[in-house]
Amino acid sequence: AQSVSQHNHHVILSEAASLELGCNYSYGGTVNLFWYVQYPGQHLQLLLKYFSGDPLVKGIKGFEAEFIKSKFSFNLRKPSVQWSDTAEYFCAVNREGRDDKIIFGKGTRLHILP
Amino acid sequence: NAGVTQTPKFRVLKTGQSMTLLCAQDMNHEYMYWYRQDPGMGLRLIHYSVGEGTTAKGEVPDGYNVSRLKKQNFLLGLESAAPSQTSVYFCASRRTGELFFGEGSRLTVL
Repeated sequence: AQSVSQHNHHVILSEAASLELGCNYSYGGTVNLFWYVQYPGQHLQLLLKYFSGDPLVKGIKGFEAEFIKSKFSFNLRKPSVQWSDTAEYFCAVNREGRDDKIIFGKGTRLHILP
Repeated sequence: NAGVTQTPKFRVLKTGQSMTLLCAQDMNHEYMYWYRQDPGMGLRLIHYSVGEGTTAKGEVPDGYNVSRLKKQNFLLGLESAAPSQTSVYFCASRRTGELFFGEGSRLTVL
């Protein structure tokens, strides 16, 4: 079965610290990869996505992610976090050409200290 | 520009009662999804639809039914609610991979 693993369940950082959130998936075929963010009390919004091409993807609000096919990983990064980045972050995977399911990881709750 | 609208936003049910959650989208998207969100569990896919008249099972379909009679609407039904179905339910429609979410429906089953 397709699965998505997010290794960090809860991360606490100070403002200006660098961020890296891990995401691994279990499917070996062609995948489409996503990171979504959920701010407190709000619904999920897309941060960035990878379909093909350059494995380093840039998203909104200074976030980026790198697709490493050999490691089945799609880690999210930001060089310098802000208090407003406090939110829950979800990695998601779709198996291209197999089915139309989009499967999410369990999420990482990020808390930024002012 | 409403996007994805879910009704109701809050509901309290007693065990064994039935209810339907309605999801409506005005973006003409073919694909629609129902997820449930529980603390520590992320979003889990219940059912989805790739077009009018079609439905398919997701990761956790048991206890739920869905219908997609019109392209813009995707209904999620609970025939006999159980406390384990207490959750926040999110509907989403999809365009070229990106999901557009509704604001969620918080359901409590007593």
